[in-house]
Amino acid sequence: ETGVTQTPRHLVMGMTNKKSLKCEQHLGHNAMYWYKQSAKKPLELMFVYNFKEQTENNSVPSRFSPECPNSSHLFLHLHTLQPEDSALYLCASSPLTGTGQGEKLFFGSGTQLSVL
Amino acid sequence: AQSVSQHNHHVILSEAASLELGCNYSYGGTVNLFWYVQYPGQHLQLLLKYFSGDPLVKGIKGFEAEFIKSKFSFNLRKPSVQWSDTAEYFCAVNARGAAGNKLTFGGGTRVLVKP
Repeated sequence: ETGVTQTPRHLVMGMTNKKSLKCEQHLGHNAMYWYKQSAKKPLELMFVYNFKEQTENNSVPSRFSPECPNSSHLFLHLHTLQPEDSALYLCASSPLTGTGQGEKLFFGSGTQLSVL
Repeated sequence: AQSVSQHNHHVILSEAASLELGCNYSYGGTVNLFWYVQYPGQHLQLLLKYFSGDPLVKGIKGFEAEFIKSKFSFNLRKPSVQWSDTAEYFCAVNARGAAGNKLTFGGGTRVLVKP
């Protein structure tokens, strides 16, 4: 266990559905991330939150809407997704030391999403 | 923007063989470099990282990586692999001092070690 918990582990949804992915960490980290892992493609950074503030949106379509109510929780709200959005969505967290030395990311196990 | 290239998508080798996985990055500034590993059915976890000092970095489970700045490379090595090293290996880079630790990953290399 890494200390980063993601739910649900698997999700199947239709293109007209609205669903949310949840990520939770109690490691005392101040940064949280959403990554997308598709078959045959590199891990793609989607969003970064530092101290609950979004600091990075990597040109993600608006059908993905993140929410970070506090430093321990991160959500990814999904609506009107497309079949090509099917992927493993990984949440990660890290401390923010401000040293620029590259903090270690702690990853969750991911949510395997299938869009029909 | 930075990018990361991993040359081999799949590697198959026998136990006790030596392993070297290539990683090259593209970025004009100072970087931090990482290798992450994902064992079957497990989460991604950090294997080792480099941010300064000795360019030869030693990580867990007998892995090491060498940063060669002139070649923009950070290759991963292990002298003698075990069956338990079967996993997918990801090289990653982030610009030094970048806010939020924005990591760019390579496409990954799947390693299969035959017993």
